[in-house]
Amino acid sequence: GAVVSQHPSWVICKSGTSVKIECRSLDFQATTMFWYRQFPKQSLMLMATSNEGSKATYEQGVEKDKFLINHASLTLSTLTVTSAHPEDSSFYICSARGLIVGRQETQYFGPGTRLLVL
Amino acid sequence: QKEVEQDPGPLSVPEGAIVSLNCTYSNSAFQYFMWYRQYSRKGPELLMYTYSSGNKEDGRFTAQVDKSSKYISLFIRDSQPSDSATYLCAMSASTGFQKLVFGTGTRLLVSP
Repeated sequence: GAVVSQHPSWVICKSGTSVKIECRSLDFQATTMFWYRQFPKQSLMLMATSNEGSKATYEQGVEKDKFLINHASLTLSTLTVTSAHPEDSSFYICSARGLIVGRQETQYFGPGTRLLVL
Repeated sequence: QKEVEQDPGPLSVPEGAIVSLNCTYSNSAFQYFMWYRQYSRKGPELLMYTYSSGNKEDGRFTAQVDKSSKYISLFIRDSQPSDSATYLCAMSASTGFQKLVFGTGTRLLVSP
């Protein structure tokens, strides 16, 4: 079954509003979570790496003031897209790095959140 | 030039065919190679994981890595309609599944 959940699965918002996306690890504690963005027909692009209790590390070209990441607990990370604009419309997907008994250590991915900014 | 190149497809095959999926890469620092399968509207799930060069087999799936050519492959034997999905290659230079770099994914369609 799913080990990482995301909420909401899709969201439509007006330009200028802020949107918060939650990522939860369900069966394990994740000290590290990752946020990716995927545009149509393109690769998953890593936006930031989030470690519990510390500031996120952003990839080059990703505005940290626009994409606020909070990793307040070992099972929850949130991504807030502030003052969203149409060009922020994309598929946002989180992953949690962890080791579940009986499985290969890996990044476990959530189902993704589709964001459409009008 | 992208760090990881992957043909987006779609690749259409009949049931029972052998499928070959490939990625090339440019960063010689990559040592960890993965294949993920992604069904529509789902997150990617890990299929195969390989360290450095060589082959790895798991059931109907075989992963090959040729670091000298910077080329990795995933073979699927006796393909099934349930294998229809997008297959993403991913690579990392570091341990612990940090900083994965993904290909664009190849969409595979297996017809009954």
